[in-house]
Formats: sequence, C-alpha cells, structure tokens
Amino acid sequence: NAGVTQTPKFQVLKTGQSMTLQCAQDMNHNSMYWYRQDPGMGLRLIYYSASEGTTDKGEVPNGYNVSRLNKREFSLRLESAAPSQTSVYFCASSEGGQDEQFFGPGTRLTVL
Amino acid sequence: SQKIEQNSEALNIQEGKTATLTCNYTNYSPAYLQWYRQDPGRGPVFLLLIRENEKEKRKERLKVTFDTTLKQSLFHITASQPADSATYLCVFPWGFDMRFGAGTRLTVKP
Repeated sequence: NAGVTQTPKFQVLKTGQSMTLQCAQDMNHNSMYWYRQDPGMGLRLIYYSASEGTTDKGEVPNGYNVSRLNKREFSLRLESAAPSQTSVYFCASSEGGQDEQFFGPGTRLTVL
Repeated sequence: SQKIEQNSEALNIQEGKTATLTCNYTNYSPAYLQWYRQDPGRGPVFLLLIRENEKEKRKERLKVTFDTTLKQSLFHITASQPADSATYLCVFPWGFDMRFGAGTRLTVKP
C-alpha cells in the first residue's frame, strides 16, 4: 500500500517549457487535490477533483490544467512554465471533500 | 475576507515542556478544524480533527481545543521530545476543500 505517489521528485524547467506532474493513489479515494507550497504562505489549492470525471478550480488555478485520468490518477500540467511557478507541488487524496487528506511526497519544481 | 493566522512562525522549547501553538481565524465560522504535521521535504500528515461542539480533543500527548467565541484553536504537545520538532499546520474546511495556515515551526531542544 503505497498511499499517494508523485513523479517526478525534482524538475528544472526553462521559462516557456511545458511539463506534467503525475499523481496516483491506491486508497480508492474519491477526491484528489493539487497544492503548491511557497515559503511563508502555506499550502494553496490549485485544482481539485471531487470525484472521477470532475475537476474544479481552487484558489490559484491560473497557468495550470488538470486531468482526472481515472479514479487513481490525477495529473497537473503546466503548459508554459513561468518563474512564478517555482514551488513545491503536493498531490493529496481523501475519501470525501472535507475528510482527512493524505499527501504525496511532493515535487520540487524550479523554473529558470 | 476570511483569514487564518498561526501566531508564531517558529517556537523553540526545551525537551519535557509543553508546547502550545495557536491558530486564529477571522470572518469565518468553521464547523471543525484539523491539525497536520509536516516534516522537512515531506507532505503534511493528519493528526487530529476537532468539531465546534467538542471544545477539546486528545490523542496520546496531543491536545487540541476549539474556542468558537475567541475564534481560536490551541494545539498542545505535552512532555515534548526532540522527535516532535516539525511544522504544525491548522486547517479549516472551505467549501469543498480545505484552507491551510502557514504553519508554526516547532523546535524541541534536548
């Protein structure tokens, strides 16, 4: 039982490049989330998926897109990376919308 | 607008003492809140949930209080140990999802 897994762990991009962050959970959870964490600001929700087949914007969605590929997988895409997107990205899952969330180990992204 | 504040960015205490972390909120009346622990380089881990009618919740050496009049939650770690050193986050429900405080970094010195 791996919980929530994320790939890659580290990534360096140049401004304008694109990439996809992958997330998978094996707990049969309905809801999945993408957060970014910046120093002094706490975690901020980018997008979430309340259930398979649905996605919604969170607090800071600009510059990102998501895909809920199936119940297990939820990916985050940066179409044209900007230095302001340098951050640590966490994926999480939960049984329902306001239940305890289980987090992945994070992806540290640097955009030059 | 709604705001969550964790009063201290950092708290240093001596091993064996009780650590008390504070979380305040404004313009908001959450039905419950959660506390998470985050170690460097890792994702947050859930610790406790307390509902507005519970006033106090305990788990081993951890205790959380929830004062809806003061709009404040206190998180206590009794008999603190160096292994308790981490960042602690208070979290409130917000619509479908959750909103996280910026966290308090606790250091317990031996």
